[in-house]
Amino acid sequence: EDKVVQSPLSLVVHEGDTVTLNCSYEVTNFRSLLWYKQEKKAPTFLFMLTSSGIEKKSGRLSSILDKKELFSILNITATQTGDSAVYLCAVLPSGGSYIPTFGRGTSLIVHP
Amino acid sequence: KAGVTQTPRYLIKTRGQQVTLSCSPISGHRSVSWYQQTPGQGLQFLFEYFSETQRNKGNFPGRFSGRQFSNSRSEMNVSTLELGDSALYLCASSSVGQETQYFGPGTRLLVL
Repeated sequence: EDKVVQSPLSLVVHEGDTVTLNCSYEVTNFRSLLWYKQEKKAPTFLFMLTSSGIEKKSGRLSSILDKKELFSILNITATQTGDSAVYLCAVLPSGGSYIPTFGRGTSLIVHP
Repeated sequence: KAGVTQTPRYLIKTRGQQVTLSCSPISGHRSVSWYQQTPGQGLQFLFEYFSETQRNKGNFPGRFSGRQFSNSRSEMNVSTLELGDSALYLCASSSVGQETQYFGPGTRLLVL
């Protein structure tokens, strides 16, 4: 059974701090790893990672994948209150089936 | 382009009743997936429809069913509701060959 574990489960920081969120996985046949941000309702897509060692960046957010050690990290620098959300990691298997496995998420609270 | 829409946004039902949720994908997207999100289990995959056919199915009982229409709109039905079915039901759409899913705002179902 595919498994995705995110850590920490929750994190409370102050504006301006840098945070690192972790996602480790066990999947039979790996295709890609995705990060989502969920604020109130709908998760919104952040990054898709398929290759090891290639950093994806979007503003203050960045993410990297290590396929050898089976984990990914999501970094947020100079955090803002608007970064407060649950960050979800999901792994997609290769092959014809599209059944993603999601982690439980990391709840990030950024205080002013 | 308009995003994924889901109706209704909130629903209260009693045990034993049945419910139908609706999802309209982004225009041009032919794949629609449904997820259940609860605090205890996180985000869990229910099923995926593509071109009116169920392509993948998660590990949920037969009380959970769905269908997709020729215009790609999808419905999800839950029969004989149980208290444990209280959850946020999310629908996501994607286009052919695209692994990124776009989520709707969800339907919050409360079963009393």
